[in-house]
Amino acid sequence: GQNIDQPTEMTATEGAIVQINCTYQTSGFNGLFWYQQHAGEAPTFLSYNVLDGLEEKGRFSSFLSRSKGYSYLLLKELQMKDSASYLCAPRDSNYQLIWGAGTKLIIKP
Amino acid sequence: DTEVTQTPKHLVMGMTNKKSLKCEQHMGHRAMYWYKQKAKKPPELMFVYSYEKLSINESVPSRFSPECPNSSLLNLHLHALQPEDSALYLCASSQDGAGAQEKLFFGSGTQLSVL
Repeated sequence: GQNIDQPTEMTATEGAIVQINCTYQTSGFNGLFWYQQHAGEAPTFLSYNVLDGLEEKGRFSSFLSRSKGYSYLLLKELQMKDSASYLCAPRDSNYQLIWGAGTKLIIKP
Repeated sequence: DTEVTQTPKHLVMGMTNKKSLKCEQHMGHRAMYWYKQKAKKPPELMFVYSYEKLSINESVPSRFSPECPNSSLLNLHLHALQPEDSALYLCASSQDGAGAQEKLFFGSGTQLSVL
């Protein structure tokens, strides 16, 4: 079967760094996406990894290890507006997104 | 224009009503999607249109009927819904017409309540 595992909730302090982990098991693999979703709003694209390694985009970075079925999203210099859910979504062999349940990130002052 | 526009933002309907959700994009994207999302759950794929043709129907009940009048518009017709159908309905689009669910652009959604 296909399975995505990410923590349900995390708490971090404004200005700090947080890493959100995602492990996955899919039927085939065609890249992995991270989306951000604020409460009551639509998901917005953050990053895409298809090869192993780190992709950096401003305060956000995403890492992928295909052999380990593992990815993480790294958020630096946390701001209050980063409080949101972060969804890990690998694509399977049919290019269908398999969505994780999301990690709710709470930022405290 | 990098937006996907959905209307209405909120909808309350009875179980005997007929209503439609509308979605529009002007980015020239060739694939459009309907997702359903319950609170604190990930989005669930319902339908995919690729080059204006229905390419994926994820075993969605017939009380949900999608329609793609042209490459910019996507509708979801609702009839005889059940209270458990209450959810956030999200429209999305992507550039690739193969519906490979590459980078998705989501609309802000329609919050639907069925009474």
